Amino acid sequence: GAGVSQSPSNKVTEKGKDVELRCDPISGHTALYWYRQRLGQGLEFLIYFQGNSAPDKSGLPSDRFSAERTGESVSTLTIQRTQQEDSAVYLCASSTGRGDTQYFGPGTRLTVL
Amino acid sequence: KQEVTQIPAALSVPEGENLVLNCSFTDSAIYNLQWFRQDPGKGLTSLLLIQSSQREQTSGRLNASLDKSSGRSTLYIAASQPGDSATYLCAVMGTSGTYKYIFGTGTRLKVLA
Repeated sequence: GAGVSQSPSNKVTEKGKDVELRCDPISGHTALYWYRQRLGQGLEFLIYFQGNSAPDKSGLPSDRFSAERTGESVSTLTIQRTQQEDSAVYLCASSTGRGDTQYFGPGTRLTVL
Repeated sequence: KQEVTQIPAALSVPEGENLVLNCSFTDSAIYNLQWFRQDPGKGLTSLLLIQSSQREQTSGRLNASLDKSSGRSTLYIAASQPGDSATYLCAVMGTSGTYKYIFGTGTRLKVLA
């Protein structure tokens, strides 16, 4: 079956612009994670969704970052007033529940000029 | 605060060797631990998931062990092949009340033909 998909695969934007990143999880997966991976660094947890609620938003770095999820389906991560330090690969993963095997999407590479 | 460390940071071995990758974590109160591989420019692929009550998991040539009391996990790769070349990441989830995975910075493995 289809895996986790993310769009766009690459996004180049100017400092100060808003961007939206999309994640389509595997059908039936109730859990969804967003991570950020800066160049040469490990994965940083951003937010966790269970269904359309987000019981853990502790990784969002600032109020410029927000995320939502529609039911147990697509999620969007929005970054407002982008800064150069937001440049990274943003990865989405889904699973059948908390602590179950995560399936990752290919990521969105964001470059802020 | 949970911290995850992986040693070595990079490893280069000839084809056919058996090898061990190490992962250590500072807080032994974990829910589970996952091992992933990451190929350049791609997302992560889950290899093995070990619940806190388990001591090891095996999949093909891969065997992962978990020693919670000492805060360690090892990933054993038997008869390494050039196709095993990738970055290997471990990640831990804490016990109840948390949903995030804390990732190590990975071991970059190169298997020479």
